[in-house]
Parts: sequence; C-alpha cells; structure tokens
Amino acid sequence: KAGVTQTPRYLIKTRGQQVTLSCSPISGHRSVSWYQQTPGQGLQFLFEYFSETQRNKGNFPGRFSGRQFSNSRSEMNVSTLELGDSALYLCASSTDTQYFGPGTRLTVL
Amino acid sequence: AQTVTQSQPEMSVQEAETVTLSCTYDTSESDYYLFWYKQPPSRQMILVIRQEAYKQQNATENRFSVNFQKAAKSFSLKISDSQLGDAAMYFCAYRRFTQGGSEKLVFGKGTKLTVNP
Repeated sequence: KAGVTQTPRYLIKTRGQQVTLSCSPISGHRSVSWYQQTPGQGLQFLFEYFSETQRNKGNFPGRFSGRQFSNSRSEMNVSTLELGDSALYLCASSTDTQYFGPGTRLTVL
Repeated sequence: AQTVTQSQPEMSVQEAETVTLSCTYDTSESDYYLFWYKQPPSRQMILVIRQEAYKQQNATENRFSVNFQKAAKSFSLKISDSQLGDAAMYFCAYRRFTQGGSEKLVFGKGTKLTVNP
C-alpha cells in the first residue's frame, strides 16, 4: 500500500496570507489527523477528521481549519498567517495506529 | 490531561551497542496505547513499536523492544545492536483507547539519539 502523502512539501508565505495543505491517507484509512511541530512547542495536535466530520480539535485559534472529502483526503487551511505559524505540519492517517506523511514545511516571512 | 515525559534530551551510543531511552507518562485511564516513533533528519515520522496497556507482554520488533511498567507508568525503548541508521529523534507517544475510533496522540519532547561509528 502507498503511504501517506502530503503536498506541497515546502511552502514559503508572507504574513497575512493564507495557505492550504493537502494530505492523502493510506488507502482504506478513514481517519486523518494533523499535527504542528515546532522546536519550541514540540508536536501539538491540531484536529482529526473521520468520515468527513471533525471528531477532535486541539487548542489552536480559529485561523486553523480543516476538512475532509468523501475519498478521505484532507486539507488544512491557515488564514492570516503569522510568523509563529512557521512549522512542520504533519498529517497522519489511521485505523488504530497513526502513520505519518513526510510533512509540509511552512515558512512564514 | 495526559502528559508524556522524556527526561533525556540527548543520548549517544556506539555502533553495535545497546541503548535505552526513557519515557514516563501520566494518565488516569486504564486502557490506552503507547508508541515510540522515530524521526530521522528527513523529518518523516516512522512508527517503531506499539504497546497496548492491557497486554502484560512487552512488545518487540526486531532489534527494538520495550520495558512497559504499567504501575510505574514507565515505557522505555531498548535498541539492541545499534546501527548508524538508528540515529534520529525518538518520540514517545500516548493515545487513549476508544472503541472504534482514533484519538489524538500526546507526544513527549523527544530524545535525540546519536550513533557513533
């Protein structure tokens, strides 16, 4: 089976812009979770989607949002980017064990 | 809230030797999962090993094994016959058990493992 894929792998944006990241889960996996990884805060849970419904949400501002499509692919969106949003964004798909994609490295200038 | 603590920010080991990475966690749940993930410089998070809390037997995966002490809330990872490719950040993670669903992972801060030739 193909693994979790994330696009794009690298992204550079400026403050105030918005960005959309994409994640395609392992075939057959209906749950997709998103995490933010920074040197200061470590790995933090953003949200989880299951069958197109947000099932869990972490403690992030409303600028962070996501959605899941009927084919289980998921997107996350960050609006009004801030410098502190620079991070590695990891997507994981799961049945009961989470398998991660390679991540999207977002740099906000 | 559940927390995961990795008290060793950095560890080093000689190639072919054995190293143990420590992890403790705090939870009031009785059913849960524990994981070790490896993140090499490529940044891809790779599952190393998984342990279900209800299982008394420690999980093993080839050169990787865990010492799971439920009462002490301790979950250490032992890497035997260390190889250069084992060099990475290692994260301990906890997930609450839920029937038929997935829950978020709670991660420790990580331990950076260096393997010396």
